Amino acid sequence: TQLLEQSPQFLSIQEGENLTVYCNSSSVFSSLQWYRQEPGEGPVLLVTVVTGGEVKKLKRLTFQFGDARKDSSLHITAAQPGDTGLYLCAGAYNNNDMRFGAGTRLTVKP
Amino acid sequence: DAGITQSPRHKVTETGTPVTLRCHQTENHRYMYWYRQDPGHGLRLIHYSYGVKDTDKGEVSDGYSVSRSKTEDFLLTLESATSSQTSVYFCAISFAGGRQETQYFGPGTRLLVL
Repeated sequence: TQLLEQSPQFLSIQEGENLTVYCNSSSVFSSLQWYRQEPGEGPVLLVTVVTGGEVKKLKRLTFQFGDARKDSSLHITAAQPGDTGLYLCAGAYNNNDMRFGAGTRLTVKP
Repeated sequence: DAGITQSPRHKVTETGTPVTLRCHQTENHRYMYWYRQDPGHGLRLIHYSYGVKDTDKGEVSDGYSVSRSKTEDFLLTLESATSSQTSVYFCAISFAGGRQETQYFGPGTRLLVL
């Protein structure tokens, strides 16, 4: 059983559409990170959220940390083919442990 | 890009043979990590290092050993490879301590154990 559940597992959309992907857990995180991974490469950090309710924006990407720090979402506005990739969340716990979710594989078609 | 290289990038080996994967960094970061990535499981930590000759186990350490004799190199060894160790292996580094810090990943090594 994954400690962090990401949904959906796969998402295929047309260029210009909006989308939201989710990262959920029954545990409380001390912080949460979102990474993007392209085929044949390692993950690259997009953002770290630390405070419950925190919202961070990175151009067309909006990241939100749940008030209870058990969940997070990533919203992409007007998706572009360059957004295609595997989006991973990673939650850090108070015992200095960190676990990754299995990821959401996003395909944006031109 | 963080200066992290992994070698080899691809390897095919047979069950029972030893395999060593190398991670090399030019960033002089203290912390280094080895992960494996499998479909449906995300990234899982195998071992990590917090300094030269200082290592500790991660989530899935059985069947793996590591060594770090220099700051820049972190080696992962499969003493006797099994088919369940077929995976993509990623090395990561971080400047500060704590696994909550930003980790920079290498390009990965794809290992197939027949």
